[in-house]
Amino acid sequence: ETGVTQTPRHLVMGMTNKKSLKCEQHLGHNAMYWYKQSAKKPLELMFVYSLEERVENNSVPSRFSPECPNSSHLFLHLHTLQPEDSALYLCASSQDPSGTGELFFGEGSRLTVL
Amino acid sequence: RKEVEQDPGPFNVPEGATVAFNCTYSNSASQSFFWYRQDCRKEPKLLMSVYSSGNEDGRFTAQLNRASQYISLLIRDSKLSDSATYLCRAGGTSYGKLTFGQGTILTVHP
Repeated sequence: ETGVTQTPRHLVMGMTNKKSLKCEQHLGHNAMYWYKQSAKKPLELMFVYSLEERVENNSVPSRFSPECPNSSHLFLHLHTLQPEDSALYLCASSQDPSGTGELFFGEGSRLTVL
Repeated sequence: RKEVEQDPGPFNVPEGATVAFNCTYSNSASQSFFWYRQDCRKEPKLLMSVYSSGNEDGRFTAQLNRASQYISLLIRDSKLSDSATYLCRAGGTSYGKLTFGQGTILTVHP
């Protein structure tokens, strides 16, 4: 059983829809992350939250909006996406927010934008 | 230049073979190094951390070469179940620099 759960596992949306991805970690970690994984590309770090405060935003388009209401939950709000945004979105957490420790990933949300 | 680079492969090896992957990193300030395994349509999972002294876990051995800025993963006596994508990661310089390589695809065949 994974300590990081993501919902939904699969999502199909139109370009005008608004949807949200949810991530919950049960590990008592202090940092949470959103990654994007497209086919044949490296994992791309999107956002980092440390103790509920956003500490990194890697030039992600504003159509992706993260929210971290507490240290256990992380959301990624999606609106007016483009077909090239179709990818696997992975949430991760770590005990050490400095980035030196192990990352624990959720199973991912596979997004298809039509 | 990419921060972390891996040969994407694919590496196709028979069962029982020994196979090695390298991963180079460009930021000399990187402090921590890891190998992850990712099965098809699954999330990455930690395979092993890489320490300065090297470390071994069963059939898997990881090494760090700071002078040449690369890490390596050696798999001995390959099993069919070792077929996966292997991702290296260099991190610890700042929050944003949790950088993964592209991944190396390994296929072990009978």
